[in-house]
Amino acid sequence: AQTVTQSQPEMSVQEAETVTLSCTYDTSENNYYLFWYKQPPSRQMILVIRQEAYKQQNATENRFSVNFQKAAKSFSLKISDSQLGDTAMYFCAFMTPNGGGADGLTFGKGTHLIIQP
Amino acid sequence: GAGVSQSPRYKVAKRGQDVALRCDPISGHVSLFWYQQALGQGPEFLTYFQNEAQLDKSGLPSDRFFAERPEGSVSTLKIQRTQQEDSAVYLCASSLKQGGYEQYFGPGTRLTVT
Repeated sequence: AQTVTQSQPEMSVQEAETVTLSCTYDTSENNYYLFWYKQPPSRQMILVIRQEAYKQQNATENRFSVNFQKAAKSFSLKISDSQLGDTAMYFCAFMTPNGGGADGLTFGKGTHLIIQP
Repeated sequence: GAGVSQSPRYKVAKRGQDVALRCDPISGHVSLFWYQQALGQGPEFLTYFQNEAQLDKSGLPSDRFFAERPEGSVSTLKIQRTQQEDSAVYLCASSLKQGGYEQYFGPGTRLTVT
């Protein structure tokens, strides 16, 4: 069974600062996907960024980038130039592809990120 | 275009009542997932449909939970004889292709069992 661990229950930074959220996972699979999801107070989960395990290059999406360390089973999210709208719960998630279907996402417990003005 | 919608957004049930939660996925999406999110926790996988076929129901916590997607579009999650531990937000997600590689989530239904 796969597990996802987010060791920071809450983080708070000033607007415009850079913040890194940590995530580690445990799996015996070699092929899998990793995701960061954002859940604002309105509750709708939004995909922030994804990474395929077979890709060595770290994924980036505008101000969001990841540091994927496959050997260490680590997948951290860096948010640059943080904005007030980044305030939300952030969930790290894991999925193994299944040719005939899907395993669903396995989520960590989340990190509550607060951006202070 | 329209995203994933869920209804009702809030549901209060007395212990022992049956409830039905509805999910309308994005039109044309093949895969549909249900998750349960307890307060202060990450979502946990309940079940997965590919079109009308329920391919995985390993996450359903008990036989009181039942899900269906009879025409491969709208899905209903039914909980019979609700218990207090069923109180949670129930999230639905859909994905264009089989495999659920990129899942789009609905706003969820908050179920409170009193």
